[in-house]
Amino acid sequence: DIVMTQSPDSLAVSLGERATFNCKSSQSVLYSSNNKNYLAWYQQKPGQPPKLLVYWASTRESGVPDRFSGSGSGTDFTLTISSLQAEDVAVYYCQQYYTTPLTFGGGTKVEIK
Amino acid sequence: EVQLVESGGGLVQPGGSLRLSCAASGFTFSTYWMHWVRQAPGKGPVWVSRINGDGSSTTYADSVKGRFTISRDNAKNTLDLQMNSLRAEDTAVYYCARGSSYYDTRVLDYWGQGTLVTVSS
Repeated sequence: DIVMTQSPDSLAVSLGERATFNCKSSQSVLYSSNNKNYLAWYQQKPGQPPKLLVYWASTRESGVPDRFSGSGSGTDFTLTISSLQAEDVAVYYCQQYYTTPLTFGGGTKVEIK
Repeated sequence: EVQLVESGGGLVQPGGSLRLSCAASGFTFSTYWMHWVRQAPGKGPVWVSRINGDGSSTTYADSVKGRFTISRDNAKNTLDLQMNSLRAEDTAVYYCARGSSYYDTRVLDYWGQGTLVTVSS
């Protein structure tokens, strides 16, 4: 199974400041035939299900604010919130879909400083 | 509007059985892969199983293989998860989720609100 490791476990950022957190996969999720990274990011607010934010490592889902951006390739990925808003308080999970079983990281909890 | 509504959760003793259902609406159910994902309190999501649009192909996580069975009824727009030989470690909120037909069927673009399964004596 591909193990997804996220860091840090939590971070506190001031409103309007940048938040950056990482996801590392135990093996590459880059499929060479199409040069796509099989990596998604989800946001989960308390009491709610996860919500898809980003797929193919860097493509925002429709309706997701452009302050969210994904980057990275191979085994190392980053999700950045360029200017943290109060409604962005949540836990963020990465997920690989390169192969089954689909696997998720342990999450990064984002709070307001 | 896409809606996924799970039901069937509850308290069950170790070794017992439970059947979860997910009622889907707002999209052409039969054309989508569907998934079950579970999440223990305070933990990250864990993928459980998936089924293709016509129900002919299923995949399971090793931790549930042989104990859980995923199925669907496209006439009723429902997805089911039959859970047998339940263990304490199966305790979690169980979500049904839709696999995207645009990006990749393993990208989960809509999730239900979940149903809680508690396995305890």
